[in-house]
Amino acid sequence: NAGVTQTPKFRVLKTGQSMTLLCAQDMNHEYMYWYRQDPGMGLRLIHYSVGEGTTAKGEVPDGYNVSRLKKQNFLLGLESAAPSQTSVYFCASRLDNYEKLFFGSGTQLSVL
Amino acid sequence: AQKVTQAQTEISVVEKEDVTLDCVYETRDTTYYLFWYKQPPSGELVFLIRRNSFDEQNEISGRYSWNFQKSTSSFNFTITASQVVDSAVYFCAHASGGTSYGKLTFGQGTILTVHP
Repeated sequence: NAGVTQTPKFRVLKTGQSMTLLCAQDMNHEYMYWYRQDPGMGLRLIHYSVGEGTTAKGEVPDGYNVSRLKKQNFLLGLESAAPSQTSVYFCASRLDNYEKLFFGSGTQLSVL
Repeated sequence: AQKVTQAQTEISVVEKEDVTLDCVYETRDTTYYLFWYKQPPSGELVFLIRRNSFDEQNEISGRYSWNFQKSTSSFNFTITASQVVDSAVYFCAHASGGTSYGKLTFGQGTILTVHP
């Protein structure tokens, strides 16, 4: 079982470059989430989706965009990367209410 | 807004010691859920436990136990007879009920180091 798969696992960007992080889940989950993890701050929610074709803002959405064109995929985009976006990004999904979140293994992003 | 505080930034113990990780939360929700996750050095997030606001029973799973007290808004985690493999970052998290369920608010994390 693949579960939640994130690609890439590592990436280095220069300020101003763009990129897309891909999250794919094979569990037919409705809900998907993007979090970022920074030292001393735990994980913070960036954007989330409650189903195919839907997206919503989380706690720290600025500088990011997302899309959920297919139920199994949730894309996180950075249009113009900034050093403040250096972080570890985690994708998560769940089936429905009261089920636990399944997390991907993370993407380490550095913006120089 | 919800808030989760893990006041202990780092804890260092010697193997076989018992250790308690503190978690205090703030919420106005009547229905909510509390979680503990473990993040070992490999980086993945491992689900440990979920507790809903209506269930204040303590839980024990092997060497792990959890003490949920609504009166003090605390959800503390104890590892008995710690082992080197318990070394990790531990996160406490809160989620509201209903459609906000998956939107977790995490604490800052506690780095636990267990020395042999």
